[in-house]
Amino acid sequence: ESVLTQSPATLSLSPGERATLSCRASQSVTTYLAWYQQKPGQAPRLLIYDASKRATGIPARFSGSGSGTDFTLTISSLEPEDFAVYYCQQRTNWLSFGQGTRLEIK
Amino acid sequence: QVHLEQSGAEVKKPGSSVKVSCTASGGTFSTYVFNWVRQVPGQGLEWVGGITPIFDRSTYAQNFQGRVTITSDESSSTVYMELSGLRSEDTAVYYCARERGDLGALDIWGLGTLVTVSS
Repeated sequence: ESVLTQSPATLSLSPGERATLSCRASQSVTTYLAWYQQKPGQAPRLLIYDASKRATGIPARFSGSGSGTDFTLTISSLEPEDFAVYYCQQRTNWLSFGQGTRLEIK
Repeated sequence: QVHLEQSGAEVKKPGSSVKVSCTASGGTFSTYVFNWVRQVPGQGLEWVGGITPIFDRSTYAQNFQGRVTITSDESSSTVYMELSGLRSEDTAVYYCARERGDLGALDIWGLGTLVTVSS
């Protein structure tokens, strides 16, 4: 099973700023990497799949990049509704999630 | 629009078992993988296991091997997760999520079922 390590654990930014979240895999997951957003009391929502493809209905300010072991989720200009917890997930070696990055308002 | 309806909250005693259901509506059922993901309060997401109904084949995370059984009923488009030997650490929200095999991602999620283990 691939272990996914996300950084930072917490990111404090203001609306309008750019957010960069990282996910590193312990072994290559090719591009089988997805990103999810979770708000309190809600189920996770798929944002990005196949490392860089936006899921249906996801705004263009969300983008993903990377391959192999290093991946990045970028939110180009933060909106108030973007403050949440973000998880990466791989499917190459069984299925596993990173521990999450909490994006909070500064 | 595909929708996953999960069964209601459960309160169980330590050592007992719980069986949670997830019924899919609005789309094809058998050809997808349905996964169970749990979230202990205040913590992250943890994969429990999954099933492909058309093959009736289940896979389980190592942490749950021997304690979890995931099954499906194609006639009712329902998947089940049964967890035995419950302990307090199993108190969590259990989510059912559909996996798009071609994406390797979980595109549709249920609202979750809270399982509380308490004496």
